[in-house]
Amino acid sequence: SQQGEEDPQALSIQEGENATMNCSYKTSINNLQWYRQNSGRGLVHLILIRSNEREKHSGRLRVTLDTSKKSSSLLITASRAADTASYFCATASPNYGGSQGNLIFGKGTKLSVKP
Amino acid sequence: ETGVTQTPRHLVMGMTNKKSLKCEQHLGHNAMYWYKQSAKKPLELMFVYSLEERVENNSVPSRFSPECPNSSHLFLHLHTLQPEDSALYLCASSQGDGTYEQYFGPGTRLTVT
Repeated sequence: SQQGEEDPQALSIQEGENATMNCSYKTSINNLQWYRQNSGRGLVHLILIRSNEREKHSGRLRVTLDTSKKSSSLLITASRAADTASYFCATASPNYGGSQGNLIFGKGTKLSVKP
Repeated sequence: ETGVTQTPRHLVMGMTNKKSLKCEQHLGHNAMYWYKQSAKKPLELMFVYSLEERVENNSVPSRFSPECPNSSHLFLHLHTLQPEDSALYLCASSQGDGTYEQYFGPGTRLTVT
């Protein structure tokens, strides 16, 4: 069954505003990761937060994780037109997909930042 | 060249053709992955190779055949595909198992006519 579900599916904001995207998941995880994808390109890893962490920062990105609610949020502050992309959360569980453990991706949030 | 590269970037093939997608990683990673990304669907994991050994095959049809000759190279051989196989095929690599951060190539946009 699908693990990560992002919300909203699409988000349109003005440059300089903050963008918040949410992710919910269903089973226990080792970590949760956020990726960005520009149209038709590969995914770029943004940030990884472990199950025992509650908040993590990287530049203009802030990620929170609430394991009791099985949810995470990605905040992009002072957004720029270059932030326009799709953002995916991926949950990492050693119990999914055999002995290797794998990432399960959500459908993503499409962010549009207007200049 | 650094990161993960994929060739070709675009491919159009008929249903009776045979073609191959190539992926190369320059990161010294020991695991490589093939994903399929279709419109309005989550990214689907197809195959996982760890130390050149296939450890995962997520019920992928036999018309897709992966090959990993060494830890830096990964191929996806395609034959007798269907139009519904049209998608963006992404290769990724990681150091460690699949729960580690993964580095993706730019993808191959495949169109099956």
